[in-house]
Amino acid sequence: AQKVTQAQTEISVVEKEDVTLDCVYETRDTTYYLFWYKQPPSGELVFLIRRNSFDEQNEISGRYSWNFQKSTSSFNFTITASQVVDSAVYFCALSEAAGANNLFFGTGTRLTVIP
Amino acid sequence: EAGVTQFPSHSVIEKGQTVTLRCDPISGHDNLYWYRRVMGKEIKFLLHFVKESKQDESGMPNNRFLAERTGGTYSTLKVQPAELEDSGVYFCASSLQGVTEAFFGQGTRLTVV
Repeated sequence: AQKVTQAQTEISVVEKEDVTLDCVYETRDTTYYLFWYKQPPSGELVFLIRRNSFDEQNEISGRYSWNFQKSTSSFNFTITASQVVDSAVYFCALSEAAGANNLFFGTGTRLTVIP
Repeated sequence: EAGVTQFPSHSVIEKGQTVTLRCDPISGHDNLYWYRRVMGKEIKFLLHFVKESKQDESGMPNNRFLAERTGGTYSTLKVQPAELEDSGVYFCASSLQGVTEAFFGQGTRLTVV
């Protein structure tokens, strides 16, 4: 069975601090995809990244970086120099397909960046 | 370009009533997905359309839920009769064919009292 665990329910940081959001997953599939979505106060889910199981290279996009480690079944997300606009709920998700079909989501981590 | 649009944004109905949620995907997106988040729990997959055909409806909880996608454009999700446990936020998403990111709507918050 597939499962995603985001143990951090809520995190608060002061602006400019770095913050890491944890994501641990379970799957029996050898091919799978991992995702991160951001849900700002407006409510929609905004796609941030998709990673397939064969690509363990870490990725950096501006202030965002992702650390994928198959050995620990983790796909953690770090925001460097956090900003107030980063305040949102962040969801990690897992799927056997590359698209948005049958995504298994974690319960989300609410990040609050305090000015 | 308009994003994924969902109507209504909020709906409060009594147990036993019928509610229809609507999703307008991004124009040209063949893939359309419905998800829902019951309070405090994970966002869960309901079903996937490719154009007007149901590709995967394995997440539909029971036969009180009926999804349609007329002509491969907008989609509706009807709950009849609604039960208390149906309360939650219903999300719709759409994507182009192939391996592409999905764009989610803002969701419809359904409250059954």
